[in-house]
Amino acid sequence: DIQMTQSPSSLSASVGDRVTITCRASQSISSYLNWYQQKPGKAPKLLVYAASSLQSGVPSRFSGSGSGTDFTLTISSLQPEDFATYYCQQSYSTRAFGGGTKVEIK
Amino acid sequence: QVQLVQSGAEVKKPGASVKVSCKASGHTFSTSDINWVRQTTGQGLEWMGWMNPSSGDTGYAQKFLGRVTMTRSTSISTAYMDLSSLRSEDTAVYYCARSGRGVGVSFDIWGQGTMVTVSS
Repeated sequence: DIQMTQSPSSLSASVGDRVTITCRASQSISSYLNWYQQKPGKAPKLLVYAASSLQSGVPSRFSGSGSGTDFTLTISSLQPEDFATYYCQQSYSTRAFGGGTKVEIK
Repeated sequence: QVQLVQSGAEVKKPGASVKVSCKASGHTFSTSDINWVRQTTGQGLEWMGWMNPSSGDTGYAQKFLGRVTMTRSTSISTAYMDLSSLRSEDTAVYYCARSGRGVGVSFDIWGQGTMVTVSS
């Protein structure tokens, strides 16, 4: 099975900071990589699909990039509502998720 | 409004089975796959498998083979996830989520989650 590794597992940042989260696949998954945001007690929300396509309604401060094995999710200017946990997911073979990155307030 | 509405919380004893439902509305039930994802307390997301409501075809994660069964009732646009031989480690929130088919899918609509507690 393809393993998905996210880093860091958590980070502290301030409002207005640029934040980058990394996801690495154990083998090439082309661009079959999605990103989700989850807030406590809520279902995950799709942010980015196919590595770099922004889901409808998602603010443009979110962006995704990468292909093959290395991917990034960037938040260009962190807003108060962005403090949450972020997950990557590969959809090349099984639909497994990475371990998550918790973004906390500094 | 496109949505998935799940059944309510369950409490089960070890060794029992649980069946969680997921009712679709606002879109054509048979044209999208339904996936099941679980999340244990304080932990990450774990994909369990998918089902094609049109054909009934399924695909399960290796970890759950032999214990999970995904079915549907097309007449009421409802998908079901049955997990058997429950143990304490199965205590989790279970989500259904809609996706396209095949490679390169994403989960664009999620149910609200169903808490399943396994306790003696």
